[in-house]
Amino acid sequence: AAGVIQSPRHLIKEKRETATLKCYPIPRHDTVYWYQQGPGQDPQFLISFYEKMQSDKGSIPDRFSAQQFSDYHSELNMSSLELGDSALYFCASSLIGIGETQYFGPGTRLLVL
Amino acid sequence: KQEVTQIPAALSVPEGENLVLNCSFTDSAIYNLQWFRQDPGKGLTSLLLIQSSQREQTSGRLNASLDKSSGRSTLYIAASQPGDSATYLCAVRPKSGGGADGLTFGKGTHLIIQP
Repeated sequence: AAGVIQSPRHLIKEKRETATLKCYPIPRHDTVYWYQQGPGQDPQFLISFYEKMQSDKGSIPDRFSAQQFSDYHSELNMSSLELGDSALYFCASSLIGIGETQYFGPGTRLLVL
Repeated sequence: KQEVTQIPAALSVPEGENLVLNCSFTDSAIYNLQWFRQDPGKGLTSLLLIQSSQREQTSGRLNASLDKSSGRSTLYIAASQPGDSATYLCAVRPKSGGGADGLTFGKGTHLIIQP
């Protein structure tokens, strides 16, 4: 079965640079979620989109923005990167109204130097 | 603010034992609760989802129960195997009018099954 696809899988950036993470949800899923997991930490919810509209907002820094496109893929844009942004970034997808299990992708590991 | 606590933080048992992982949450107004498995440096694999109206869900050797009024869930693993070694995370989704609410996670139970 198709799963959530994230790219890139690994990313190394310098402080103050920008980064764009991409997420391709499971086919026919209409909702995308972004989570950040720091080293040794539990995942923290950042933001979600349902039918291309922002739905819920968590602890997403103002330096980050995200959107969901017409083909339902999503991008997380991160600017003015800081050392503390080094983490695993997960995307999850679900189908609203049908079970609503959130299925997670493999994650993008971001290292900020 | 919802807080999710998992006990124990770590557990090491011999192969073949039955074991119980505990999860508690402070706000009982939840929509559902999900149990995940995470291998080191990897993504999260959904194991079971329990809707707020349900009491338990079963999948193979796994059984998850939910007592919403007391804010507790347990994950029961029968006949544990070395391949079950991983971190197990509990996450709750709030009960709200929105359809795409983010999950609040516990810090996980790090499980080691000794061969």
